[in-house]
Amino acid sequence: GAVVSQHPSWVICKSGTSVKIECRSLDFQATTMFWYRQFPKQSLMLMATSNEGSKATYEQGVEKDKFLINHASLTLSTLTVTSAHPEDSSFYICSALAGTTDEQFFGPGTRLTVL
Amino acid sequence: AQSVTQLDSQVPVFEEAPVELRCNYSSSVSVYLFWYVQYPNQGLQLLLKYLSGSTLVKGINGFEAEFNKSQTSFHLRKPSVHISDTAEYFCAVSDIGYGNKLVFGAGTILRVKS
Repeated sequence: GAVVSQHPSWVICKSGTSVKIECRSLDFQATTMFWYRQFPKQSLMLMATSNEGSKATYEQGVEKDKFLINHASLTLSTLTVTSAHPEDSSFYICSALAGTTDEQFFGPGTRLTVL
Repeated sequence: AQSVTQLDSQVPVFEEAPVELRCNYSSSVSVYLFWYVQYPNQGLQLLLKYLSGSTLVKGINGFEAEFNKSQTSFHLRKPSVHISDTAEYFCAVSDIGYGNKLVFGAGTILRVKS
């Protein structure tokens, strides 16, 4: 149980285009999901907290207009990287908070490469 | 604000040898502590967590960690490693509750050699 999926697992896009990444909790409902970014050989940095039915809370330094987060249902949160640039290339990981155990379960990550 | 320091970026060790991955944290409030493992191009898997109670915490895959409040440490140990333990290990802290924001250390790459 407590499986979180991400789609796509990897994506390559051209500079200036937008990319949407999905995060799904497959067997539990998650009112809260988190989005992290991981640069090569570095740790995870929290980008934003996504709450179902309300606006996401962004960490300091994260551009909310560039990284659009939508949490429209209890099992799905999406991260859209708008007008992507090569510096946005990174590994994006989501986690979902399981309300019954209050534990974060992590997705497998999405590798974004912007050319 | 919390911070987490993992003192070793890489730890090479021979198979069946013991290993300790070090983690120190700083926080102005009480904390919850976690160790996660990440295999290449995968997400994170929880190894173990300390919320309260016994300071020695046992996790999956034979790992354990000890919470030392006076030294603000939460070192991860395994008495005998396997090749399959080769991965990156992250220590993380949360200051409000388990479900709240996690702050991660920089990670330690464990390389197990045969």
